[in-house]
Amino acid sequence: NAGVTQTPKFQVLKTGQSMTLQCAQDMNHNSMYWYRQDPGMGLRLIYYSASEGTTDKGEVPNGYNVSRLNKREFSLRLESAAPSQTSVYFCASSRAAKNIQYFGAGTRLSVL
Amino acid sequence: AQSVTQPDIHITVSEGASLELRCNYSYGATPYLFWYVQSPGQGLQLLLKYFSGDTLVQGIKGFEAEFKRSQSSFNLRKPSVHWSDAAEYFCFQGSSNTGKLIFGQGTTLQVKP
Repeated sequence: NAGVTQTPKFQVLKTGQSMTLQCAQDMNHNSMYWYRQDPGMGLRLIYYSASEGTTDKGEVPNGYNVSRLNKREFSLRLESAAPSQTSVYFCASSRAAKNIQYFGAGTRLSVL
Repeated sequence: AQSVTQPDIHITVSEGASLELRCNYSYGATPYLFWYVQSPGQGLQLLLKYFSGDTLVQGIKGFEAEFKRSQSSFNLRKPSVHWSDAAEYFCFQGSSNTGKLIFGQGTTLQVKP
């Protein structure tokens, strides 16, 4: 049972480039989340999807877009990357919005 | 605004000593509270959770936490720390009323031999 799978694990971008972070879960969970983790800031919620077909902004949505492609997959897109988006990104899923969240291993992104 | 505060950014304890990590959450009618642990370079692993019922909850790896509504606290404890407990610990609040999910800033635990 793979749980939550994130790709890629590492990425280096130049300012202004775009990319999509992929996330898939195989636990039949309804809710999925994207966080970013920065030193001294803990984890901050970027976007979440309480159920298939819905997405909502979290604490720090600016500069990001998301797509809940289907129940399994929830992608995060950076249209024009900025150095301030250098961070470690975590995807998580849960059975419902109030339940335990299971985390992927993270994507370490550097924007030069 | 809702918030979760972990007052201690960094804690150092000796191996075998007891541990308490503090977490204070902001008001929420029905707070759902969690503690997660993150080892260096790893993702987050759930230690324990509180939804309702018994206010003292047991988790994995010998950890426990006590929910105190009067103090808006959910402190994590362990009677005897092991060197492998060195990691970063996050307190997390979810709320079914608001749908908002808030993490604390984290507490880094260092264990001295």
